[in-house]
Amino acid sequence: SAVISQKPSRDICQRGTSLTIQCQVDSQVTMMFWYRQQPGQSLTLIATANQGSEATYESGFVIDKFPISRPNLTFSTLTVSNMSPEDSSIYLCSVSEGNTIYFGEGSWLTVV
Amino acid sequence: AQSVTQLGSHVSVSEGALVLLRCNYSSSVPPYLFWYVQYPNQGLQLLLKYTTGATLVKGINGFEAEFKKSETSFHLTKPSAHMSDAAEYFCAVSAPRNYGQNFVFGPGTRLSVLP
Repeated sequence: SAVISQKPSRDICQRGTSLTIQCQVDSQVTMMFWYRQQPGQSLTLIATANQGSEATYESGFVIDKFPISRPNLTFSTLTVSNMSPEDSSIYLCSVSEGNTIYFGEGSWLTVV
Repeated sequence: AQSVTQLGSHVSVSEGALVLLRCNYSSSVPPYLFWYVQYPNQGLQLLLKYTTGATLVKGINGFEAEFKKSETSFHLTKPSAHMSDAAEYFCAVSAPRNYGQNFVFGPGTRLSVLP
């Protein structure tokens, strides 16, 4: 399976600031996904990012809050904008290979 | 639409005892079923999956799961628990690409292994 690297792995952020999370894959993939996992909760899909097209956002998530870039087949970024304590979560990048999705190690964000 | 339920948000077993984590799904199309494990402070790792074929699937670390269509279940088992199995386990359902490959995750079950 693809090896997925995320940066940063952890960060503590000030309220009102923005942070960009990077996701690098060691092979070319068509479909990349961004998930959020709030403390003690399951995974919620934020958006699907396909290269060459605008990201598709799930209900409850908007581009102004979570802008996504997908410049090529191995890289994507997710920005969490104007952060509040409610944005404290694990953000997970994942890729689709065949009928399965694989995850990066996650980015642990704490907003203070 | 698809959904997943996991009975028991927290399961405790003794080291060496049988592990049984329950997963039931709802799907209007043939389901693809997955179990992922999340160790503390880590991302999700695929344990095993069922897509087609044999209904008993074996995964990593001695885990296995059986797809039972009549019961809409995909329970995860391991004959003998190890301390290293302590983690959060997520069941997920998807579908073949022509039905839309959306993944739906269950709420998770935290497994504790007691010495």
